[in-house]
Amino acid sequence: GQSLEQPSEVTAVEGAIVQINCTYQTSGFYGLSWYQQHDGGAPTFLSYNALDGLEETGRFSSFLSRSDSYGYLLLQELQMKDSASYFCAGDNYGQNFVFGPGTRLSVLP
Amino acid sequence: DSGVTQTPKHLITATGQRVTLRCSPRSGDLSVYWYQQSLDQGLQFLIQYYNGEERAKGNILERFSAQQFPDLHSELNLSSLELGDSALYFCASSRYGSTEAFFGQGTRLTVV
Repeated sequence: GQSLEQPSEVTAVEGAIVQINCTYQTSGFYGLSWYQQHDGGAPTFLSYNALDGLEETGRFSSFLSRSDSYGYLLLQELQMKDSASYFCAGDNYGQNFVFGPGTRLSVLP
Repeated sequence: DSGVTQTPKHLITATGQRVTLRCSPRSGDLSVYWYQQSLDQGLQFLIQYYNGEERAKGNILERFSAQQFPDLHSELNLSSLELGDSALYFCASSRYGSTEAFFGQGTRLTVV
C-alpha cells in the first residue's frame, strides 16, 4: 500500500527554525507536496517537489530525496501564525493525493 | 478564497439518515477529490472524478457514493449514517496535470 509517516507534534519558539520530516513507503509517487491547515480551516498548498533537492519559497523550504523516500518541510523565522497542522502528500500520478497523518506545530512566544 | 465552494457548511442529522454534500470546483478545474477528516485525524481520500468520470477510489464505504455532473460540480451522498461518520468532508479540485489541489472550506457533518 501507500503510506506516509510524520511526527505527530513539534514545538518551537518564535523566530526559530523547525524541520518537519516525512517518510513514505511506496514507489508510486510522482512528487511530494506540503499543505498547511489551521484549526477548523481548509488545507492550503505550500510547496511541491518533483525532483530531488531543495525548493525555497520565502520562509518555507521543502526537500525531497527519492532514493531515501524522504522529504521535509523547513520553516524559518517562525511566527505565531505558523501554528497549524502540516501535511505531506504523495502525488499519485494525478489520480489522487495521499496525505500523511499530519504534524501539529505549536509556536511558543 | 480557494475558489472551491462547498455547501452546506454545517449539517446535523440523525443516525440512519441520508445526506448530500455539494461541491463546485474552481473554474476550469476538471478534477474533483473528496476527503474525509475525522477529529484530529489526517485526510482520508475517498474518491476522485475527472471530467465526469470516476478516476480513483480510496477507502470509501459502500454506503457512500459520489458523482460529477456535466457542469463539473460534484455531490457526495452519504446514507445509513452512523455516529462514526461525523467528520469534516472536504472537496478539492485541480487542473489536469497540476500538482496543486485547492480545497473548499469543508462540510462539518455531525450525526446524532
